[in-house]
Amino acid sequence: DQQVKQNSPSLSVQEGRISILNCDYTNSMFDYFLWYKKYPAEGPTFLISISSIKDKNEDGRFTVFLNKSAKHLSLHIVPSQPGDSAVYFCAASAPGSGTYKYIFGTGTRLKVLA
Amino acid sequence: ETGVTQSPTHLIKTRGQQVTLRCSSQSGHNTVSWYQQALGQGPQFIFQYYREEENGRGNFPPRFSGLQFPNYSSELNVNALELDDSALYLCASSSTSGGLDEQFFGPGTRLTVL
Repeated sequence: DQQVKQNSPSLSVQEGRISILNCDYTNSMFDYFLWYKKYPAEGPTFLISISSIKDKNEDGRFTVFLNKSAKHLSLHIVPSQPGDSAVYFCAASAPGSGTYKYIFGTGTRLKVLA
Repeated sequence: ETGVTQSPTHLIKTRGQQVTLRCSSQSGHNTVSWYQQALGQGPQFIFQYYREEENGRGNFPPRFSGLQFPNYSSELNVNALELDDSALYLCASSSTSGGLDEQFFGPGTRLTVL
């Protein structure tokens, strides 16, 4: 049962254009969402997060949008740069147990073409 | 500030053996989470340790066990290794348990079980 889904395994974008990475979730109890970027041979690096009380969070070139009714979030990167080429994971977390374990999607490999 | 470190980087074991993986948390962090990332998948939560106590567990059998030490470093032990245990094992640290804090990941230990 995949509670967090990233349906696009890969995405190619021209340098300078917008990259849009999508993520869907099924558990309505999730209230905190994060995006991580992963380069080969490195651990995931935190990019940006959003709490369920917001519908948008922006940090420089990165913006995350949350649509709770559709159980959908997206990461926008503008403008895309070759250094953004990596695997991007979305993750979600739910309250209640006191354990903030993250449920990760399977990742989207972004390739930014120079 | 020192980031999350893991050792060893790579490890090869045979089926039935036991393995211990180590993690040093980021300075100031008291919570450590362990994840298993199989090829082509996102990280899957194994368990979390907070102040030396297990604080939540994912769907992993009891042969996966852990420890956290007073300096907040942690070990992951896997007994009776199976071929499917081959994966990248990631350790992540954060500053609180149950709070909305992003987790910082180490580079991982690549375990191969033959």
